[in-house]
Amino acid sequence: HVQLVESGGGVVQPGTSLRLSCAASGFSLNTYGMHWVRQAPGKGLEWVAVIGYDGINKNYGDSVKGRFTISRDDSKNMLYLQMNSLRGDDTAVYYCAKDKTSYSHTDDWFDPWGQGTLVTVSP
Amino acid sequence: EIVLTQSPATLSLSPGERATLSCRASQSISSNLAWYQQKPGQAPRLLIYDASNRATGIPARFSGSGSGTDFTLTISSLEPEDFAFYYCQQRSKWPLTFGGGTKVEI
Repeated sequence: HVQLVESGGGVVQPGTSLRLSCAASGFSLNTYGMHWVRQAPGKGLEWVAVIGYDGINKNYGDSVKGRFTISRDDSKNMLYLQMNSLRGDDTAVYYCAKDKTSYSHTDDWFDPWGQGTLVTVSP
Repeated sequence: EIVLTQSPATLSLSPGERATLSCRASQSISSNLAWYQQKPGQAPRLLIYDASNRATGIPARFSGSGSGTDFTLTISSLEPEDFAFYYCQQRSKWPLTFGGGTKVEI
């Protein structure tokens, strides 16, 4: 049974850093691409970042490029999102999501998703 | 960036009725489109991928069609649990993008 559980959210001040975690179970992270997707309160979905199954290929949305870093620890089966220089418009629920298909660099369908963790950036 | 425009923003229907949701891409994305359902307080769920393939466990009343720039999600007969938000998403070009969503309400 595939399960994704995010943690690490909270209230932080602008300009600070936060690291989100996503604990994966029921599959190995080194076989699937993994994504972070966020949703501002009352708004739609925004893709944030992806790390390929090989752990090498990474890509980021324009609004977070240069500030956020996606990574993983295969020994712990954990996915991370390091968020630096946080801004008010980074306030959102952050979801981790798995690629639908294993060993693919072109899948990019999100299935399943975790329950999300809320990040609030406020003075 | 590929912009996905969903219409209508809100669809008011009754159980048993047919729902037709639209997603239009700003440029051709072939069949590189998925649909997700999101209920309040829950994470999104994959419904349709590659424009017309149902994800595992998705009921047959959900169907997707289209290619190029125009796509449709059809719910043939609405069940009470289908009232939710629906989002389309493209994977044709980076960055991956979502449409703004359609709310299907009673």
